[in-house]
Amino acid sequence: AQSVAQPEDQVNVAEGNPLTVKCTYSVSGNPYLFWYVQYPNRGLQFLLKYITGDNLVKGSYGFEAEFNKSQTSFHLKKPSALVSDSALYFCAVRVGASKIIFGSGTRLSIRP
Amino acid sequence: SAVISQKPSRDICQRGTSLTIQCQVDSQVTMMFWYRQQPGQSLTLIATANQGSEATYESGFVIDKFPISRPNLTFSTLTVSNLSPEDSSIYLCSVEKTGNTGELFFGEGSRLTVL
Repeated sequence: AQSVAQPEDQVNVAEGNPLTVKCTYSVSGNPYLFWYVQYPNRGLQFLLKYITGDNLVKGSYGFEAEFNKSQTSFHLKKPSALVSDSALYFCAVRVGASKIIFGSGTRLSIRP
Repeated sequence: SAVISQKPSRDICQRGTSLTIQCQVDSQVTMMFWYRQQPGQSLTLIATANQGSEATYESGFVIDKFPISRPNLTFSTLTVSNLSPEDSSIYLCSVEKTGNTGELFFGEGSRLTVL
């Protein structure tokens, strides 16, 4: 079955430190991978995507993600966390022609 | 980008009643997607709505419970019928960015509480 997993419900990081939010996937063929962020009481916003090409993709708000085919992972990273990065983060994968499925979400908390 | 407006933003309903959520997009789109998100949890795709045809429902979701209309390329409605407390959720409308990129734009969601 095609799926995407986020093994951590919550990640806590001190402001200024690097952060990583983990994601692994299981899909047939070449994956289309995405990260979305949801701020409180808001809809989801697109952060970045990987379709093909360079394994390191850069996105909005200084975030980047590394595609690792051998480990079937697509971890989200940022070199220096901000308090304003605190939000709910979803990894997602495209399955079939148009359907997107989402991971369970990771709540990122950045302490001052 | 696409701007998506959803109405209502929130509502409180009695069990046994129905709620219709509207989704308006500022540009024409082929497919519109309806997701459900229980508070603090992941998104689950309910159905995909194409203009001029019946919606395609995901496993576990049926047309009688979640009828969808798609009268034109900028508008869709989702009705949640015969409400029960288990239907309390956030319902999100989304569309795909032009170019078949897989990138989705989302409305702000409609928070439903069923008493």
